[in-house]
Amino acid sequence: EVQLVESGGGLVQPGGSLRLSCAASGLTFNRNAMTWVRQAPGKGLEWVSSIYDNGDSTYYADSVKGRFTISRDNSKNTLSLQMNTLRAEDTAIYYCATGRGTYWGRGTLVIVAS
Amino acid sequence: DVVMTQSPLSLPVTLGQPASISCRSSQSLVHRDGNIYLNWFQQRPGQSPRRLIYKVSNRDSGVPDRISGSGSGTDFTLKISRVEAEDVATYYCIQGTHWPYTFGQGTKLEIK
Repeated sequence: EVQLVESGGGLVQPGGSLRLSCAASGLTFNRNAMTWVRQAPGKGLEWVSSIYDNGDSTYYADSVKGRFTISRDNSKNTLSLQMNTLRAEDTAIYYCATGRGTYWGRGTLVIVAS
Repeated sequence: DVVMTQSPLSLPVTLGQPASISCRSSQSLVHRDGNIYLNWFQQRPGQSPRRLIYKVSNRDSGVPDRISGSGSGTDFTLKISRVEAEDVATYYCIQGTHWPYTFGQGTKLEIK
């Protein structure tokens, strides 16, 4: 059974940083592109970032480009999202998913507020 | 960026009746590899999204055959032939052809 488990969410002040992690099991991690998607409270889904299976290529939504960094450790089956210079509008549930969304985690909540 | 426009945004349907959701893209979704990366997701209240359809018309494992996807170019449709109570959810299309990937606004299906 494929499992994606996000962690690292919490309350952070505007301008602060947070690092999200996603632990993957039940799949050949190093053969899967991975993606972060977020959902602000009561809003729709927003694609945030993706990374190719070997980590060589990364892509970002304009709303997070220059502030967020996606990375992966294939030796640990782990996906990460480093989020810097956080804004109130980054408040959302952050989901980890395989490339084009075959599998999803349950999400981790990030709240940016003072 | 590719803009994905769904309609309607709210869809009241009587149990047992069909439902149809439209998703239009602002540019062609044909990838240079020849595939069209248009997927449909279902998100039930309080749950994570679940993929239903990939590459326009391919059903994911466990998706009932009363749910189908179709379309080409810039115009795509998700159809439910007979709505059941378990179909109450918000449905999203997403294009995975062009970076950045983009979702539609979502269509909320409710029972009339």
